[in-house]
Amino acid sequence: NAGVTQTPKFQVLKTGQSMTLQCAQDMNHEYMSWYRQDPGMGLRLIHYSVGAGITDQGEVPNGYNVSRSTTEDFPLRLLSAAPSQTSVYFCASTTGQKNEKLFFGSGTQLSVL
Amino acid sequence: DAKTTQPNSMESNEEEPVHLPCNHSTISGTDYIHWYRQLPSQGPEYVIHGLTSNVNNRMASLAIAEDRKSSTLILHRATLRDAAVYYCILSEDTGNQFYFGTGTSLTVIP
Repeated sequence: NAGVTQTPKFQVLKTGQSMTLQCAQDMNHEYMSWYRQDPGMGLRLIHYSVGAGITDQGEVPNGYNVSRSTTEDFPLRLLSAAPSQTSVYFCASTTGQKNEKLFFGSGTQLSVL
Repeated sequence: DAKTTQPNSMESNEEEPVHLPCNHSTISGTDYIHWYRQLPSQGPEYVIHGLTSNVNNRMASLAIAEDRKSSTLILHRATLRDAAVYYCILSEDTGNQFYFGTGTSLTVIP
């Protein structure tokens, strides 16, 4: 059971480039979310989804797009990367029932030059 | 959003118990108290959660004050592998949008 899989693990972009961070889970979880973590900081919620076709914004959504076409996948898109988006990104999933534990991926370290 | 307050850092000697405090004075009646921890260079992992009663699992115990305005995560016997950042989080009544603060960085001294 792979759990939550994030790819790539590392990525370097130039300012203005676009890219997609991939997140997949094999636990049939309805709820998925994206967080970013800056050095010495806690995690901040970017976007989340309560099921296929449904997404919503978290604390820091600007500069990021998401979609949820399947239950398994929840990609995060940077349309025009900026140095302020240099961070470690974590994807998480849970069943969608209240107060069930979140399962996190191992993270994607993104640097924007 | 309901907020939590934790000390920035704590130290413990190996094989001794550790009590990690968390204040949440604005907690609502339906908010659960969750604890996660983040080992270096890893994603957070679930530790424990509870509503009103004290909770125990194989990793830790959670002691919740009677007025629910504070809680304590108890590691009964700290090991070097327990060195991590520990986050105390209140669940939102609207769903699973967990809001992480900066947590408590636990150092375990051999």
